[in-house]
Amino acid sequence: GESVGLHLPTLSVQEGDNSIINCAYSNSASDYFIWYKQESGKGPQFIIDIRSNMDKRQGQRVTVLLNKTVKHLSLQIAATQPGDSAVYFCAENNNDYKLSFGAGTTVTVRA
Amino acid sequence: DTEVTQTPKHLVMGMTNKKSLKCEQHMGHRAMYWYKQKAKKPPELMFVYSYEKLSINESVPSRFSPECPNSSLLNLHLHALQPEDSALYLCASSLDGQNTEAFFGQGTRLTVV
Repeated sequence: GESVGLHLPTLSVQEGDNSIINCAYSNSASDYFIWYKQESGKGPQFIIDIRSNMDKRQGQRVTVLLNKTVKHLSLQIAATQPGDSAVYFCAENNNDYKLSFGAGTTVTVRA
Repeated sequence: DTEVTQTPKHLVMGMTNKKSLKCEQHMGHRAMYWYKQKAKKPPELMFVYSYEKLSINESVPSRFSPECPNSSLLNLHLHALQPEDSALYLCASSLDGQNTEAFFGQGTRLTVV
C-alpha cells in the first residue's frame, strides 16, 4: 500500500492497494474531526468522523487515526477502488460552529 | 432525507446584477453555513447561522448578504460582485453546529463576468 508520513497534495495508488492520507491540524483545542471526499463538480461528502476522546475509528473500508500529541490525523482506505479517486479533506471543529478544512489531497487510482 | 439542496447549480452574472443563491434542508438541522471554494482549494467558511441567527461572519464583503428566512432555508444575496468572486458556493447544515457532522449541498458554480 501507499503510505506517507507528511501531508502531500497528491497521492497515486494502484487499484487494490491500501491508501493512507495524512493531515496535520492546527488547533490543539479542536475536539472533533471529519474526513470528507469531494468528487469533481460535487460538494464534499462525509466519510467518517472521530472525537478527541478516541484515537481510532473504523468504518466500511476506512479507518481514521488521531494522534493528539502531534496533532495528526490520517485516513486509511483499504483495497482502493477507482471510485475512490477524489480530493480528500480533513476538517476540524472546536465546538465553536467553525468547521475548518485542511488543504486536501488528490487521490488518483491507477488501474 | 439527508440532503442539502442548492439552486441554481450554475449561475453567470454581470458585475451590476443582483442575484440570490438558495439552500434548503429538511433534516431539522439548526446550524447552516455558506462556504466559498476556489478551484483546487479547500472550502472557506463565510457565514454561520445558528437557530436562524447569524452567529459568524468571517469578514465577508458586504456585497454578499446572507439571509435565513426559517430553519430550513438559507439564502445568499449577491450584488455588485467582482470577477474574483467566481467560485463554487457551498451550503451545509449540521444538527447544532457544535461537533456534529455537517452535510453539504452540491454547490452553485458562480461565474461573474
